[in-house]
Amino acid sequence: SQTIHQWPATLVQPVGSPLSLECTVEGTSNPNLYWYRQAAGRGLQLLFYSVGIGQISSEVPQNLSASRPQDRQFILSSKKLLLSDSGFYLCAWSKMNTEAFFGQGTRLTVV
Amino acid sequence: TQLLEQSPQFLSIQEGENLTVYCNSSSVFSSLQWYRQEPGEGPVLLVTVVTGGEVKKLKRLTFQFGDARKDSSLHITAAQPGDTGLYLCAGLGVYGNKLVFGAGTILRVKS
Repeated sequence: SQTIHQWPATLVQPVGSPLSLECTVEGTSNPNLYWYRQAAGRGLQLLFYSVGIGQISSEVPQNLSASRPQDRQFILSSKKLLLSDSGFYLCAWSKMNTEAFFGQGTRLTVV
Repeated sequence: TQLLEQSPQFLSIQEGENLTVYCNSSSVFSSLQWYRQEPGEGPVLLVTVVTGGEVKKLKRLTFQFGDARKDSSLHITAAQPGDTGLYLCAGLGVYGNKLVFGAGTILRVKS
C-alpha cells in the first residue's frame, strides 16, 4: 500500500533562518506531488506541484522554493524565513486524475 | 489561474437540520473532489465527481457536479454532531495534474 511521510510535525524557526521540509512517498511510482499551505480553519493554498523529477510548477510568488531530486521525494525550502511564512504545510501525492493523499502536515512557526 | 469559490465560509446549525455547501468556478475541471479535514490532520477524501450532472450519495451526504463541470454542491440531510468539521472542495485541472482547493466551510452541528 502507498504511504506518505512528511516531517517534521512541528518546527519553530527564527526569522532569517533557512527551511527544509521533506516529503517522501512509498508504494507508488511517478506520482504527482504537491505542497500546500493552510491558514487556520481555511482552505489549502497550492504552492508547488510536480509531475516528474526536476519538474516544478510554482503557483504563487513567494519566499519559498521546491525541488524534486528523486521520483518520490519532494522538498520545500527557503533561504531566509519571514514571519509571514508561518503556517500549516501539507504535502500530498496523487496519480493522474485521482484523489490526493495527504501527509500529516508540518506546523511551522517563525519567530 | 483556476479559482474555486466555496460558500458559506462558516455554518452553525442544530442537529437534525439540512444544509448545502456550494463550490463555484468560472473554470472547467476534469473532476471535483470533496474532502473533510480534522484539526491538525490532512484532508481525507469523501467523494469524487467526474461527469457533468453526476450525483453521488454517501449515506446522508449528497454530492452533485454541475452540467458544465464548473461547480458542485454538497448537501447533508439531518446533520449530526459527528458531521462537524472543515469541508473542502477541490478541482482537478483538465490535464489531470493540478489540484486546487476552495477556501473551505467550517461546519458546526450543535446537539
